[in-house]
Amino acid sequence: DAKTTQPTSMDCAEGRAANLPCNHSTISGNEYVYWYRQIHSQGPQYIIHGLKNNETNEMASLIITEDRKSSTLILPHATLRDTAVYYCIVRVGGAGAQKLVFGQGTRLTINP
Amino acid sequence: NAGVTQTPKFRVLKTGQSMTLLCAQDMNHEYMYWYRQDPGMGLRLIHYSVGEGTTAKGEVPDGYNVSRLKKQNFLLGLESAAPSQTSVYFCASGTGRLNEQFFGPGTRLTVL
Repeated sequence: DAKTTQPTSMDCAEGRAANLPCNHSTISGNEYVYWYRQIHSQGPQYIIHGLKNNETNEMASLIITEDRKSSTLILPHATLRDTAVYYCIVRVGGAGAQKLVFGQGTRLTINP
Repeated sequence: NAGVTQTPKFRVLKTGQSMTLLCAQDMNHEYMYWYRQDPGMGLRLIHYSVGEGTTAKGEVPDGYNVSRLKKQNFLLGLESAAPSQTSVYFCASGTGRLNEQFFGPGTRLTVL
């Protein structure tokens, strides 16, 4: 599985866009990029995932570079409730006994 | 629809004691997982199950046993607790796809 590298922590002002980077330079062609987040003391929550095209849903956007060696999660209008640890996970997709592998993630703090 | 629930929420054990953590899900998911999370770390997979009556080892299975006698329940047992097992334990259930894994609220376990 491809190794991911994320900054340990980031700050963002409330109402601004939060851009969280993830490097995955050894990603394979069949590996997807998944993002989960963990709000303090709660279980992780799925945000978004993608293979090579940019993706958007009601929570966030995911921008994957053309060479797929890095990606950025974008929270377009961050709120205080977005303060959490964000995990970038690279795994083979599809159905079956797929298992999430969590690194240390990025601790995002949204400031009023 | 309660999702994934965990019992108990908190527990303090003495070294050598045993206990069972219960995870229940009402989403009819085939897959269930047990993770542990140590301070400042990401989650690590202990054991998982791909269906009723099946279990498999994850990344850190030593010192734990699991059972999946009913589809909706996944039990995690500690036969002889050790201080190194002090952690927050999260259960998850899912469809097998990595974007469809749903986590419980966690059980905070302290072993003295």
